[in-house]
Amino acid sequence: GENVEQHPSTLSVQEGDSAVIKCTYSDSASNYFPWYKQELGKRPQLIIDIRSNVGEKKDQRIAVTLNKTAKHFSLHITETQPEDSAVYFCAAPYSGGGADGLTFGKGTHLIIQP
Amino acid sequence: NAGVTQTPKFRILKIGQSMTLQCAQDMNHNYMYWYRQDPGMGLKLIYYSVGAGITDKGEVPNGYNVSRSTTEDFPLRLELAAPSQTSVYFCASSYSPRNTEAFFGQGTRLTVV
Repeated sequence: GENVEQHPSTLSVQEGDSAVIKCTYSDSASNYFPWYKQELGKRPQLIIDIRSNVGEKKDQRIAVTLNKTAKHFSLHITETQPEDSAVYFCAAPYSGGGADGLTFGKGTHLIIQP
Repeated sequence: NAGVTQTPKFRILKIGQSMTLQCAQDMNHNYMYWYRQDPGMGLKLIYYSVGAGITDKGEVPNGYNVSRSTTEDFPLRLELAAPSQTSVYFCASSYSPRNTEAFFGQGTRLTVV
């Protein structure tokens, strides 16, 4: 199955600054890369995703970039706000292009300092 | 729509006991999944189903069983509970396995003592 590595495990930034979280994957057949946000005690919720046929996708203050050659993708959050504080997970298909769920990174605890 | 509903929200089991975690979705999704989340870790896939009557193992299936008799329901059975099964369990569903959002239930926090 797919292997997803995520860094850093904890990221502390000043409110208003940018945050970047990076992930690498192992299976070159993987074609879908979602990012989930999980607030304390809550369920994971999708915030943005990218398919393998594009290199970048933006949604207001959030963007994701994908480098298929290097097999890594990153989440960028600009103008961070207190409500951005949460754990963020990257993911990739469990077995590359197969029909069987997701493999998740271990998560990044993002802390927004006032 | 209620989305994905899990019951119970919390449960304490004694070692060796068995239980079933319930999961139901009302979005007519064919694909359903069970994940477990250990403290400070990402989610790991236990079992998945691509439709009624079809299930398959994920990354960590040992100690668990599933069934999928209807499109809506995907229960997870724990047999002979062990302390290593202490975790938060999330059920999820999606319209397709790739390129579409997976919707998660609110989770079941299970403690085995």
